[in-house]
Amino acid sequence: SQQGEEDPQALSIQEGENATMNCSYKTSINNLQWYRQNSGRGLVHLILIRSNEREKHSGRLRVTLDTSKKSSSLLITASRAADTASYFCATAVYGGGGADGLTFGKGTHLIIQP
Amino acid sequence: GAGVSQSPRYKVTKRGQDVALRCDPISGHVSLYWYRQALGQGPEFLTYFNYEAQQDKSGLPNDRFSAERPEGSISTLTIQRTEQRDSAMYRCASSPPGQGWEAFFGQGTRLTVV
Repeated sequence: SQQGEEDPQALSIQEGENATMNCSYKTSINNLQWYRQNSGRGLVHLILIRSNEREKHSGRLRVTLDTSKKSSSLLITASRAADTASYFCATAVYGGGGADGLTFGKGTHLIIQP
Repeated sequence: GAGVSQSPRYKVTKRGQDVALRCDPISGHVSLYWYRQALGQGPEFLTYFNYEAQQDKSGLPNDRFSAERPEGSISTLTIQRTEQRDSAMYRCASSPPGQGWEAFFGQGTRLTVV
């Protein structure tokens, strides 16, 4: 089963605009991660935010985390054609004895129009 | 190698045949994960290892699926008596020791059962 739900499922914007994607999840987490998947390519890690963090930046990416609402958002500023991809949030919940697997959402398909 | 390597990249097999999918993780990465991704969906957790120990196999769909990592490095995911519903992208990921690391994904194996 997939814990995360991304919203919207698809998003089309003009190059240069900002893109915002949201993710909601169901259980308490240790951290939340965002991944990008280009068409036909592997998954690439973008950013990780821990449960005690509220906001994190990496280049043109800004991630927020609201654990009280069990939600996160990914903002991509000044979008480029190369940002066209599917974006997934993934939650990590660690039990005893080491890292558990990530639980992914269904993804947001982002299209940047030139 | 520089990244997670999976082989084969593509596998077409007849229904009822057994298949073995291989994953060679990044050197030094203790944790290794297997995921399955259907078209238009996010990756779905199958199983994971710390070193050679299989820590969690709760995501394996049924007893036709098994995985091993006998020497704590290369892992094999085996599907016996394949069925058409097994057709999917199978992804392997690895991560360094400890909690709170992102997962580094391979390019995946596209399995098609005809």
